[in-house]
Formats: sequence, C-alpha cells, structure tokens
Amino acid sequence: AQTVTQSQPEMSVQEAETVTLSCTYDTSENNYYLFWYKQPPSRQMILVIRQEAYKQQNATENRFSVNFQKAAKSFSLKISDSQLGDTAMYFCPPNDMRFGAGTRLTVKP
Amino acid sequence: DGGITQSPKYLFRKEGQNVTLSCEQNLNHDAMYWYRQDPGQGLRLIYYSQIVNDFQKGDIAEGYSVSREKKESFPLTVTSAQKNPTAFYLCASASGNSYNEQFFGPGTRLTVL
Repeated sequence: AQTVTQSQPEMSVQEAETVTLSCTYDTSENNYYLFWYKQPPSRQMILVIRQEAYKQQNATENRFSVNFQKAAKSFSLKISDSQLGDTAMYFCPPNDMRFGAGTRLTVKP
Repeated sequence: DGGITQSPKYLFRKEGQNVTLSCEQNLNHDAMYWYRQDPGQGLRLIYYSQIVNDFQKGDIAEGYSVSREKKESFPLTVTSAQKNPTAFYLCASASGNSYNEQFFGPGTRLTVL
C-alpha cells in the first residue's frame, strides 16, 4: 500500500502571493501517478493537477505547478498569484486512493 | 450532462436503523469508490469496486456494505453495526485503472440521532 504525508495541517497566504504545499509519499511501485485535489467549503472535490511519475518535467496548470522529486518521493504544489477562491482543503493522493489528512489553505484578502 | 450524483444531500436516521446512500454515475466509468470524511479530516476509503459484480474492502469497511449490480450504481449501506456513522460520505468514479483521476459526487451528510 502507498502512504502519503502532508506535514502542514494549516497554512495561510495573502491574496496575490505565492504559497507552496508539501507532500511526501511512500510507494513500492515503479510507475504511478500523483494528484493534487482541492476541496473548497462547498465540499466538492476537484482535481487541480496530475503528475506522471515517469515524466521528469513538472506538471503545470495555469497558476498551479508541482515540484516533483521522485528520488525523494516529494510532490509539492505551488500556487502563484493566490486568489480567494483557492481557499480549500488540499489533498495529494498517490494512485491508490489514500487521501491522507490534507492541508487547509486560507487565502486572506 | 455527464456526472456523478449522490442523494440525498442530507440524511437523518435514528440509531439502530440501517440506511442506504445512493451513488449514480453516467460517465461510463468502471471504477467506483466510497469515502468517509469526518470534520476537519481527510478522506478514508470504505469500499471500492473496479468492475461490476466485484468490490473490495477499504481501510474502514466494518459496519458498511455495498453492491455493484450495475456499472452506473454503487449504493452504500450503513448498518447498525457501524459504531459512529455520523459523517460526510463521498462517492467517486474513475475510468479504467488507478492512473486516472477520480470524479466526485457532491456528498451526503448523514446524521444519526
């Protein structure tokens, strides 16, 4: 089974600033995907970004980008130009359905 | 519109009663999942199904049961054996293997009185 650790239970950032959420995982698989999901106050879970482990290039999706360090089993999410709508819980499950405790991000005006 | 639906949004039951939560998807996804989320916490996997007529226990299956008779439907029954059933329940589906993202329903808030 794979495990995931998000060491920052809560974070806050000022609107328009940049914030990085950390995620480390453990897996014995050679090929896998990593995901970042967000769950806003509405509680609707939404995919933010996905990284394929065999790709060295870090995934980017508009203001969201990842720093994937395969050897270190690290998968951090960088949010640039933070917006109030980014306020949410963020989860980084590996591809076996274990979501972990998440990080609560608050964007302050 | 393609999507995944859960009903009802809020559900109240008396202690000792079984209750079934509905989850339907029209995305033609093979895999479906049930998660439980407690206040301020992450998601914990209850059951999952990767194909019709087959399902596996997740990390907290005790006190729950499921069926997968149709590809589109994956109902979850919370039995009276579940010690603390009050929680938010999320259903998700995904196509093919676990390399694909999960699509989530809006959730059901179950309160046992």
